[in-house]
Amino acid sequence: DIQMTQSPSSLSASVGDRVTLTCRASQSISSYLNWYQQKPGKAPNLLIYAASSLQSGVPSRFSGSGSGTDFTLTISSLQPEDFATYYCQQSYSTLSWTFGQGTKVEIK
Amino acid sequence: QVQLVQSGSELKKPGASVKVSCKASGYTLSSYGMNWVRQAPGQGLEWMGWINTNTGNPTYAQGFTGRFVFSLDTSVSTAYLQISSLKAEDTAVYYCARLEDTDYIFDYWGQGTLVTVSS
Repeated sequence: DIQMTQSPSSLSASVGDRVTLTCRASQSISSYLNWYQQKPGKAPNLLIYAASSLQSGVPSRFSGSGSGTDFTLTISSLQPEDFATYYCQQSYSTLSWTFGQGTKVEIK
Repeated sequence: QVQLVQSGSELKKPGASVKVSCKASGYTLSSYGMNWVRQAPGQGLEWMGWINTNTGNPTYAQGFTGRFVFSLDTSVSTAYLQISSLKAEDTAVYYCARLEDTDYIFDYWGQGTLVTVSS
């Protein structure tokens, strides 16, 4: 199975900060990388797919980049509603999709 | 609009079975695959597998073979997850999630079903 490693596991940031989260795959996954946001007690919500495509309805302050094994999710100006846990997921290995362990974004 | 509505929380004893439902509306169930994802308390997301809603053929991830069964009832647009011989470590929130198979993304999720296994 392809392993996905996210860093950091948690971070503290202030409203208005630029925040960058990292996801690394154990082998090349081309651009088959998706990002989800999960708030406490809620289901995950798709933010970014195919490494850099913004899902419909997602604010433009979210952006994704990368290919191969290294990927980033950037929030350009952190808003109060962005405090949540973020998961990357590889969709390269068909019928064997795996998630990273998550990055929790907390209020400083 | 697309909705996935799951059945309510369950409290079960070790050794019992549970069946979680996921009712789809706003689209045709057989047009998109259905995934199941587990989230243990305080832990991350774990992909359990998926079911091809056209053929009914399930695929189980490593660690989810034997006691876990995915099934469908297309007449009521519902997917099911059944877990048998429940153990304490099965305590988790279980999500269904629709598979959009152009980019292989989980584009719609159910609200989650908490299954608690305790004597």
